[in-house]
Amino acid sequence: KAGVTQTPRYLIKTRGQQVTLSCSPISGHRSVSWYQQTPGQGLQFLFEYFSETQRNKGNFPGRFSGRQFSNSRSEMNVSTLELGDSALYLCASSLEQSSSYEQYFGPGTRLTVT
Amino acid sequence: QKEVEQDPGPLSVPEGAIVSLNCTYSNSAFQYFMWYRQYSRKGPELLMYTYSSGNKEDGRFTAQVDKSSKYISLFIRDSQPSDSATYLCAMSANTGGFKTIFGAGTRLFVKA
Repeated sequence: KAGVTQTPRYLIKTRGQQVTLSCSPISGHRSVSWYQQTPGQGLQFLFEYFSETQRNKGNFPGRFSGRQFSNSRSEMNVSTLELGDSALYLCASSLEQSSSYEQYFGPGTRLTVT
Repeated sequence: QKEVEQDPGPLSVPEGAIVSLNCTYSNSAFQYFMWYRQYSRKGPELLMYTYSSGNKEDGRFTAQVDKSSKYISLFIRDSQPSDSATYLCAMSANTGGFKTIFGAGTRLFVKA
């Protein structure tokens, strides 16, 4: 069974631009969560999607948004990029929303904002 | 105060040693307790999860949860150089939607 895939793996953007990251969950998994990982703050929860609906949201500004499609694939978007948005963005999938204790992570997208 | 506290290390041990990794937490609503391993430039990999208090063993790994002390541990027996990685504890609670909170991660080095 294929794991969680994320595209692109690396991205370099300029301040003020916007970016869209993509995540394909494990086949059959319906819940997708997004995390931001930085050396200073560690892994921080961005949001979770289940059945195309955002079910939970972390403490990030509205510049961070996401969506989920009917095939459970998910995208996240960051608008008006800031230098502090440079991070590893991780996507994780689980079977159901209630099985978040068993999440499987993708390799991440490393975003660098210059 | 962070909801989940984890010593970032680094922790350096000789091959074959027993490793003890720990986390403390403040939210008594946490129900599930997980341990992830993350190698450099990779996503976290789920090692094991425990529901509520108790012990769980999987090969060389043992997870312990003490809810009364709000303290969880991961023990690695017969540590190997391939165990060198960052270990993240994580916890989740159903508070109108499951949210998982991660510890900062402990960097472990196992020397051959």
